[in-house]
Amino acid sequence: NAGVMQNPRHLVRRRGQEARLRCSPVKGHSHVYWYRQLPEEGLKFMVYLQKENIIDESGMPKERFSAEFPKEGPSILRIQQVVRGDSAAYFCASSPATGRQGQLGGYTFGSGTRLTVV
Amino acid sequence: AQSVAQPEDQVNVAEGNPLTVKCTYSVSGNPYLFWYVQYPNRGLQFLLKYITGDNLVKGSYGFEAEFNKSQTSFHLKKPSALVSDSALYFCAVRDQAGTALIFGKGTTLSVSS
Repeated sequence: NAGVMQNPRHLVRRRGQEARLRCSPVKGHSHVYWYRQLPEEGLKFMVYLQKENIIDESGMPKERFSAEFPKEGPSILRIQQVVRGDSAAYFCASSPATGRQGQLGGYTFGSGTRLTVV
Repeated sequence: AQSVAQPEDQVNVAEGNPLTVKCTYSVSGNPYLFWYVQYPNRGLQFLLKYITGDNLVKGSYGFEAEFNKSQTSFHLKKPSALVSDSALYFCAVRDQAGTALIFGKGTTLSVSS
């Protein structure tokens, strides 16, 4: 009964490279959320996805960042042309489908991917 | 817009003493409220939630939280702190129509022996 699986746990990229962060939700969960935690700050919402759909991307930077949650496979957060300011911990969470039971459910978080841009 | 405030960056208590970590919120309509704990270099672990019903919610590891609608607060409490409770605590909220949780900045709890 695996929880939310994120990989890699640690990722080092040079400025200008691409970073791809993966998140496999809890089995049966169809909703995925990405958060970013900057040093000395709380968690900032980035994007909410369902299978093959982006529901809310109001927290995503306008450029270089994208996210997907394909029909098969994990959710991917992609950061192109990384800069030092992208260094942070990126957390993924999943929840059951929205609906009466889903709204009462909790959000399960992964252990995060710590991105370091050098 | 939804928002959460955790007014204290750090709370220090002695082991065995009661602890309170404060949280206030702002949402339209009825709130769903959550507390999570984060240990160093780890993900967030769910502690407890308020959806509806009794204002006093009991959660994991002996923690509880009291929902106060008039004060729009959801303070986390524990009657007797343990050194192992030392961690970063996050309060979060969403409204009934919302989707993602909105988090406070977090409060570092330090319990001394």
